[in-house]
Amino acid sequence: SQQGEEDPQALSIQEGENATMNCSYKTSINNLQWYRQNSGRGLVHLILIRSNEREKHSGRLRVTLDTSKKSSSLLITASRAADTASYFCASVSGNTPLVFGKGTRLSVIA
Amino acid sequence: GAGVSQSPSNKVTEKGKDVELRCDPISGHTALYWYRQSLGQGLEFLIYFQGNSAPDKSGLPSDRFSAERTGGSVSTLTIQRTQQEDSAVYLCASSSGVGNEQFFGPGTRLTVL
Repeated sequence: SQQGEEDPQALSIQEGENATMNCSYKTSINNLQWYRQNSGRGLVHLILIRSNEREKHSGRLRVTLDTSKKSSSLLITASRAADTASYFCASVSGNTPLVFGKGTRLSVIA
Repeated sequence: GAGVSQSPSNKVTEKGKDVELRCDPISGHTALYWYRQSLGQGLEFLIYFQGNSAPDKSGLPSDRFSAERTGGSVSTLTIQRTQQEDSAVYLCASSSGVGNEQFFGPGTRLTVL
């Protein structure tokens, strides 16, 4: 299985702190994507990093990819209460659809 | 609207009844996906369509589950003889190609009494 697995399962931080979430996968990938989910409904795409990229930024988000370790990390800087959500990584290999991990539940306390 | 829509948003049914869930993808998106999410859990992949074809049906939990897509657009997920363990949020997503960014609908919350 190429399922992504996020770590930690849950994370609680104070507003203003940085939050780091990690993701591991098992097979070679074409790209890896991070999504956010609020209130158990639809997911929102945050960022996509391709297998030949090592780092990517989008606003307060920074994603890194280490293909040798088959891992990725999502860093949210200067967190806000509104960042409270579940975060999922999803890996893409070949022509198969995304395979999602179980997610990290982030709580940002004001 | 330009996003993925799903209907109904909520469905309460009695055990043993059949239910049909609908997904309208973003116009032009060739790939469509169905997922299931139980309370506090991750996404469970059910099935995906490339056009009207479903290359991988291995995620369907049992033969009570079926899905179809017509005209490369709307998809329906049918659950026959519902069981209480079918209670979950059913999410649909579409993308411009398999492996590309997925756009999710708001989901259908199914409750089987």
